[in-house]
Amino acid sequence: AQSVSQHNHHVILSEAASLELGCNYSYGGTVNLFWYVQYPGQHLQLLLKYFSGDPLVKGIKGFEAEFIKSKFSFNLRKPSVQWSDTAEYFCAVRIYNTDKLIFGTGTRLQVFP
Amino acid sequence: DADVTQTPRNRITKTGKRIMLECSQTKGHDRMYWYRQDPGLGLRLIYYSFDVKDINKGEISDGYSVSRQAQAKFSLSLESAIPNQTALYFCATSDLTGPEQYFGPGTRLTVT
Repeated sequence: AQSVSQHNHHVILSEAASLELGCNYSYGGTVNLFWYVQYPGQHLQLLLKYFSGDPLVKGIKGFEAEFIKSKFSFNLRKPSVQWSDTAEYFCAVRIYNTDKLIFGTGTRLQVFP
Repeated sequence: DADVTQTPRNRITKTGKRIMLECSQTKGHDRMYWYRQDPGLGLRLIYYSFDVKDINKGEISDGYSVSRQAQAKFSLSLESAIPNQTALYFCATSDLTGPEQYFGPGTRLTVT
């Protein structure tokens, strides 16, 4: 069965540190890829998405992600985190031509001032 | 100005009770989904519906049922609630033009 792995379960950083959250999926065909963010007490919001084209995609709030097809990865990055980035981050994959998203287990990010 | 709303936002109920969670959307999307979120497990799909007459089971449908009363409304029922159904429940929508999903604010359900 297809799956999405987020190996970092809990990440703690100081403000201005760089961030990279890993996401790997298990499917050899065409996929659409997403990162969602859930701020404390709030619903999931779309951070960025990849459908095709340039494998480096930019999202909101200075986040970006790179799709590396050969590694089945879609890692999320931010050069300099802020306290307001404290949230839970979910990677999700849609198998092409299906209509369901498969979510990873999430990474909880805590940023300290 | 919320496009996807869920009621109630919080609910405490007892084992064996029937409970309904409701989701409404003003986005005009055809597709609606119910997920549950548990710590360390991410989001898991319970049921999804592509239109009023099309309802499908997700990966964890046992113990749940749904009703798509209209394009804009999708309800999730727990016929006889049990403690391991304590979770955060999210409704989501999407349309035919793009696979990204838009989430409601969630319902925190506690079964005692």
